[in-house]
Amino acid sequence: EIVLTQSPATLSLSPGEGAALSCRASQSVSNYLAWYQQKPGQAPRLLIYDASNRATGIPARFSGSGSGTDFTLTISSLEPEDFAVYYCQQRSNWPVTFGQGTKLEIK
Amino acid sequence: EVQLVESGGGLIKPGGSLRLSCTVSGITSNAIWVTWVRQAPGKGLECLGHIKSKTDGGTTGYAAPVKGRFAISRDDSENTVYLEMNSLRTEDTGVYYCTRGWGSGPLYHFDPWGQGTVVTVSS
Repeated sequence: EIVLTQSPATLSLSPGEGAALSCRASQSVSNYLAWYQQKPGQAPRLLIYDASNRATGIPARFSGSGSGTDFTLTISSLEPEDFAVYYCQQRSNWPVTFGQGTKLEIK
Repeated sequence: EVQLVESGGGLIKPGGSLRLSCTVSGITSNAIWVTWVRQAPGKGLECLGHIKSKTDGGTTGYAAPVKGRFAISRDDSENTVYLEMNSLRTEDTGVYYCTRGWGSGPLYHFDPWGQGTVVTVSS
């Protein structure tokens, strides 16, 4: 099973600042890496798929990069609605696995 | 627009059984892969398994923690996918989401998601 490790566990930033969230895979997942945002009481929402493709309706301030084992989700300028938990997910091997999440909180 | 709505959650005793439903709209359910993902209270996300589209063979796949206890099936007349859960354990407690799985190449990512249904396994 491929293990995804996200860092940091918690990131404290202010609106307007930029954020970089990391996801590292225990073995190569090529570019088969997605990012999700989850707000309290809500289902997750797909942000980025295949490492760098924005899902439909996702603002341009969200971008993804990386390949192989190291990936980054970048939020260029944080809006108040961006404070949430973010998960990465790989689809290279079965079982599909998720990272443990990064909580992005308001400083 | 594809939408999925879960139902059937509730309180069940350890060892019991429960069937969750995922009603699909906006597309014929057998034209898509449908997956089940759960989230234990305060924890992360866990993919439980999938049912492939009819054109991809309609077969199912399961993660190790639920293989042999859970089963995914589909009723085309109802445009609904089911998750039959047997021999439930306290660690099966959580929010259960159905999602559409898609992507070119291996396996899938998850989009869109239903709103989730809560399963509590407790005596």
